[in-house]
Amino acid sequence: GEEVAQTPKHLVRGEGQKAKLYCAPIKGHSYVFWYQQVLKNEFKFLISFQNENVFDETGMPKERFSAKCLPNSPCSLEIQATKLEDSAVYFCASSKAGPLGGANVLTFGAGSRLTVL
Amino acid sequence: AQKVTQAQTEISVVEKEDVTLDCVYETRDTTYYLFWYKQPPSGELVFLIRRNSFDEQNEISGRYSWNFQKSTSSFNFTITASQVVDSAVYFCALSENQAGTALIFGKGTTLSVSS
Repeated sequence: GEEVAQTPKHLVRGEGQKAKLYCAPIKGHSYVFWYQQVLKNEFKFLISFQNENVFDETGMPKERFSAKCLPNSPCSLEIQATKLEDSAVYFCASSKAGPLGGANVLTFGAGSRLTVL
Repeated sequence: AQKVTQAQTEISVVEKEDVTLDCVYETRDTTYYLFWYKQPPSGELVFLIRRNSFDEQNEISGRYSWNFQKSTSSFNFTITASQVVDSAVYFCALSENQAGTALIFGKGTTLSVSS
């Protein structure tokens, strides 16, 4: 499809529970990105993939966060043992490579709002 | 390190006023891309423009225009004759010239346009 599809739209978890978010990138886009937005302010980059391979994970909190992009499956972002501070909107984005492998426009999904109580 | 600064946290204008949103960036790269995205109250992120560092031509698209000044590391965005529908948070962003690298966002400017 021509849109980045994120599910669920809203997820509520108690502290300590697991949360898993999904993202289907636009067909033909080989790059997938995850961002965290807290309180409609800054976007924190978490991780990017080139196809099923991790491309850049410099923003990923290593202890409780993990992500995967497997062939023929939506990409996923999983948070083990959620904390109150994980409450945020998680955006997925996808892109094609630009000319000569350069940066290109990211198309964002509508986001998944995680509320940790 | 790369950084994007949007010094204006909030701006309020009345319909039909012109408004400029400032964006200043820092990078050591000679080739890079600059972006503006709009986030309306509904929450989605809408792409507005991408500009590469070698193209300093100003761009106009309807009521929107962008002024890229490499000498001052700025990429400002002007809305002419603002409308209530322009009310949103606007984000400026910067990336290296390599696919897959993180887009570095500014903290956003909240624009409120009243009728």
